Amino acid sequence: SYVLTQPPSVSVAPGQTARITCGGNNIGSKSVHWYQQKPGQAPVLVVYDDSDRPSGIPERFSGSNSGNTATLTISRVEAGDEADYYCQVWDSSSDHYVFGTGTKVTVL
Amino acid sequence: EVQLVQSGAEVKKPGESLKISCKGSGYSFTSYWIGWVRQMPGKGLEWMGIIYPGDSDTRYSPSFQGQVTISADKSISTAYLQWSSLKASDTAMYYCARIYLGEYFQHWGQGTLVTVSS
Repeated sequence: SYVLTQPPSVSVAPGQTARITCGGNNIGSKSVHWYQQKPGQAPVLVVYDDSDRPSGIPERFSGSNSGNTATLTISRVEAGDEADYYCQVWDSSSDHYVFGTGTKVTVL
Repeated sequence: EVQLVQSGAEVKKPGESLKISCKGSGYSFTSYWIGWVRQMPGKGLEWMGIIYPGDSDTRYSPSFQGQVTISADKSISTAYLQWSSLKASDTAMYYCARIYLGEYFQHWGQGTLVTVSS
């Protein structure tokens, strides 16, 4: 089955840039989607189709995808960005949805 | 406005059965797949399965096939997740979500916490 690997944690100072990676075999050939989950809340879609943002999501959130790694970038990080982030793909070969292992972003 | 409203928290004993619900509103319920996602305490998101309420076509993750049943009643715009015999390891938060273009989980319910304890 398809596996998505994320770093367990990323720490960043306010105002700096956080980059969260999502590794998978030839992930560049798939569409990658990202979710933010704050403590005690349901996940929220922040990036879809590699780099598009749903309405209401700040431009500070952006995404890219190439080769074996997709990346979610959070620019000008704010305290309110502290959350868990998950990548996700639909694996067409198995017709399964796959979530990444999740990354906890800590704002120092 | 698209909304998915899930049923309330449940506390059950091992061996008991349970059916939780997810009611959609603000869109054509029969035109979008609904997915179920498990989150065990302190852990990540796991895809369980999906249903297309228009014709009740259902798919399961291999990890959950035979462990749960997903169904839907399109007349009341509600999807369900049910267990016939709960285990302590079923203790988790369960989310439903509307899937867009078969690719991603666009809108999420608020979650239903299921606690299984003797």
